[in-house]
Amino acid sequence: AQSVAQPEDQVNVAEGNPLTVKCTYSVSGNPYLFWYVQYPNRGLQFLLKYITGDNLVKGSYGFEAEFNKSQTSFHLKKPSALVSDSALYFCAVRDSISNNDMRFGAGTRLTVKP
Amino acid sequence: SAVISQKPSRDICQRGTSLTIQCQVDSQVTMMFWYRQQPGQSLTLIATANQGSEATYESGFVIDKFPISRPNLTFSTLTVSNMSPEDSSIYLCSVGPLPSGSAETQYFGPGTRLLVL
Repeated sequence: AQSVAQPEDQVNVAEGNPLTVKCTYSVSGNPYLFWYVQYPNRGLQFLLKYITGDNLVKGSYGFEAEFNKSQTSFHLKKPSALVSDSALYFCAVRDSISNNDMRFGAGTRLTVKP
Repeated sequence: SAVISQKPSRDICQRGTSLTIQCQVDSQVTMMFWYRQQPGQSLTLIATANQGSEATYESGFVIDKFPISRPNLTFSTLTVSNMSPEDSSIYLCSVGPLPSGSAETQYFGPGTRLLVL
């Protein structure tokens, strides 16, 4: 069965600084990896995904993520953080073999301070 | 992406009662899922709603407590039965794949915030 770990409950960065939100995964087959963002009192919004191809994937709002197979990681990054990026971020994985449902990490709360 | 709506958006219920949550998608989708997000927690899959057959429940979730219907490819309901305060959560509908999207991505509705007193 697939699983996801987000080792940090909270990440704090200053506006304008780069940010990284960490994610590691475990699957039987090849991973389909996703990042979602949840703003207060809102549902989940899809940010980006890795299915195959280039290890660096670019998504919405200037976010990108790098797939690292040897480290089984899929860290979310942004070169310059905005206060409006403050939200709850979830990493998720689907197994290419079962390809049924997603499994989510515990979530990381990102706070960007002015 | 599709437009996914849920009703109600929020509710406050008394213990022992039941609440049915509706999920409507503006396009036909193969898969529909129901997730629960307890306060301060991540998302946990409750079940996969199968069109024309019984839902597939994850470990720890049973049909008597969370009956699910899926009469067609655009609509599903989740009922939270005989509620207790422990059922206070956000319940999220998720769909995928979309006709215009990739086969791997799931999209989420806005959620239903349930508080059980």
